[in-house]
Amino acid sequence: DIQMTQTPSSMPASLGERVTISCRASQGISNYLNWYQQKPDGTIKPLIYYTSNLQSGVPSRFSGSGSGTDYSLTISSLEPEDFAMYYCQQYDSSPWTFGGGTKLELK
Amino acid sequence: EVKLVESGGGLVQPGRSLKLSCAASGFSFNDYWMGWVRQAPGKGLEWIGEINQDSSTINYTPSLKDKFTISRDNAQNTLYLQMSKLGSEDTAIYYCARAGSSYLMDAWGQGASVTVSS
Repeated sequence: DIQMTQTPSSMPASLGERVTISCRASQGISNYLNWYQQKPDGTIKPLIYYTSNLQSGVPSRFSGSGSGTDYSLTISSLEPEDFAMYYCQQYDSSPWTFGGGTKLELK
Repeated sequence: EVKLVESGGGLVQPGRSLKLSCAASGFSFNDYWMGWVRQAPGKGLEWIGEINQDSSTINYTPSLKDKFTISRDNAQNTLYLQMSKLGSEDTAIYYCARAGSSYLMDAWGQGASVTVSS
């Protein structure tokens, strides 16, 4: 199975700050990488597909990039509703696997 | 509005079985792959498996392949997860999800809680 490692596991940040979450795969995944947001009530929302494509309805302050084994999710200016958990997920090779998650917390 | 609603969760004794359902509405159910993901308390997301539109292809994460069975009823717009030989390690919230393009799970249910305990 492909292992996905997210860093950091938690990140204190302030409103308006620019933040970047990293996701590293144990082998190259050819940009087959998606991102999700999970709110404290458990609600899960898709954010980005195929490394850098914004899902419909997702604000443009979210962006994704990367290649090979290294990928990242950037939020350009944090809004109050962005404080949540974030997960990457690879779909290069079954079984699809998720990163361990990054908790974005209000500083 | 796309809606996925899981049901069938609860408290179950170790070694027993449980079947979860996921009722889909607001989209053409038989046009989509569907899948299950779980989340143990305080842990991250774990992909369980997926099923294609006509149930001809079902994929599982290897560690759960012998315990869990995914099925669907397109006439009832319902996805199922049959779980057997449950252990404490299976205590989790179980989510059903629709698989869209790029294998993005683009719609999720609210989750069904399963607790395995005597």
